[in-house]
Amino acid sequence: GESVGLHLPTLSVQEGDNSIINCAYSNSASDYFIWYKQESGKGPQFIIDIRSNMDKRQGQRVTVLLNKTVKHLSLQIAATQPGDSAVYFCAEIPSGGSYIPTFGRGTSLIVHP
Amino acid sequence: DVKVTQSSRYLVKRTGEKVFLECVQDMDHENMFWYRQDPGLGLRLIYFSYDVKMKEKGDIPEGYSVSREKKERFSLILESASTNQTSMYLCASSLDMNKQFFGPGTRLTVL
Repeated sequence: GESVGLHLPTLSVQEGDNSIINCAYSNSASDYFIWYKQESGKGPQFIIDIRSNMDKRQGQRVTVLLNKTVKHLSLQIAATQPGDSAVYFCAEIPSGGSYIPTFGRGTSLIVHP
Repeated sequence: DVKVTQSSRYLVKRTGEKVFLECVQDMDHENMFWYRQDPGLGLRLIYFSYDVKMKEKGDIPEGYSVSREKKERFSLILESASTNQTSMYLCASSLDMNKQFFGPGTRLTVL
C-alpha cells in the first residue's frame, strides 16, 4: 500500500494473478474517491471512482472497495496483464469546500510475464 | 474522450529564464489545474482556475503564476526559473470538480 517516503511501495505479481493495491486516506469527510493509473512517461489516467455511499464498485477487470470505518480504499485488478504495469494512486475529494483532491503517493505495480 | 494537451513533452531552460507551459483542453471544462510531480512527493497543486480570468493558489504557488484568458487554455508561468523547479508538470481539467483528466506532462529541467 501507499506510505510516506522517497521510494514508492512496489507490488510484483505474475501475469494472470489478481492484484490488490491499497490506499489509506486521511479525511473522514471525503465524499468521493478515484483511482488513477500512470504509465511511465505519461500523465495519470482515470480508472474507476466510488462515492462514499457505496462500499464496492466494479469496472472491467477492476474493483474498488471502500471501508469508511478504517478509511481504507483498495483497487483489485483481476487477471493482471503486463500492460497493467504502472504506478497506481488514489485521490480523495472532500465534501463541501473547494473539492480539491488529495492524491496518494502511489504504488508501483510490476507484472512479470 | 477528453483531450488535454500540453505544449511540450520535454523542456530544458537556464536559471533565470522566463518559462511558459501551455495547456489546452477540448471539452469545454470550467476547471483547470496545474500540478508538479516529484519522486516521493506525489502530485502537488500549484494553481487552479474555475473560470476564465479566475485563479486560485494551490499548495505551492511560490515562484509560479498562471493565466487563463480563454476557457480552453491555462498557462503556467515561471517568472525566473530556478533549479528547484526542475520537475514533471501536469495539467488537468474537470467539469464538476471531481474527475480530473490529465495531460501527458511536461518534464522541465532547469540548468
